[in-house]
Amino acid sequence: DQQVKQNSPSLSVQEGRISILNCDYTNSMFDYFLWYKKYPAEGPTFLISISSIKDKNEDGRFTVFLNKSAKHLSLHIVPSQPGDSAVYFCAASAGTYKYIFGTGTRLKVLA
Amino acid sequence: GAGVSQSPRYKVAKRGQDVALRCDPISGHVSLFWYQQALGQGPEFLTYFQNEAQLDKSGLPSDRFFAERPEGSVSTLKIQRTQQEDSAVYLCASSLGRVTYNEQFFGPGTRLTVL
Repeated sequence: DQQVKQNSPSLSVQEGRISILNCDYTNSMFDYFLWYKKYPAEGPTFLISISSIKDKNEDGRFTVFLNKSAKHLSLHIVPSQPGDSAVYFCAASAGTYKYIFGTGTRLKVLA
Repeated sequence: GAGVSQSPRYKVAKRGQDVALRCDPISGHVSLFWYQQALGQGPEFLTYFQNEAQLDKSGLPSDRFFAERPEGSVSTLKIQRTQQEDSAVYLCASSLGRVTYNEQFFGPGTRLTVL
């Protein structure tokens, strides 16, 4: 039973355009959400997070939106750059240290 | 560097062999986590240490898996009598505090292949 789902295994976007990565979850007890970015042969790197008391968090080119009623979050990258090409993982926790990860979306930004 | 390091980076084992995977967390980080990442999947939680205490081992898939952190710093994940289904990347992560909502810093992982 996958509690965190990333239904798009891959996404291609032109450089300079917006990248939108989506994540759905089923557990209404989740109260903290994170996005991690992973390059090949490296460990995941923290990108941005959001608490369930907010519906938006912004950090430079990266914005995460949370829609609790739809149990959906999305990561927007504007403008997309070739260096953003990586696998992006969505993760969630229910008030604990235990993060539940999605299966990842591979983003390719085309120059 | 000052990040989380793991060794070996790659390990090939014959089925039935025992393996030991090492994690060096960021200095001063209290919390340490082990995750298993199968091909095409996200990381899955295995176990959690706070200093030397193993507070949660609910994710360990079987009693063939054992983890320790005897001095509250370096940790070792041991897999006994390896099976083909143990083939995965094993990720270690550490975080500064004891409480939740702390960023977890990941190492590069150890890719284990069981033949």
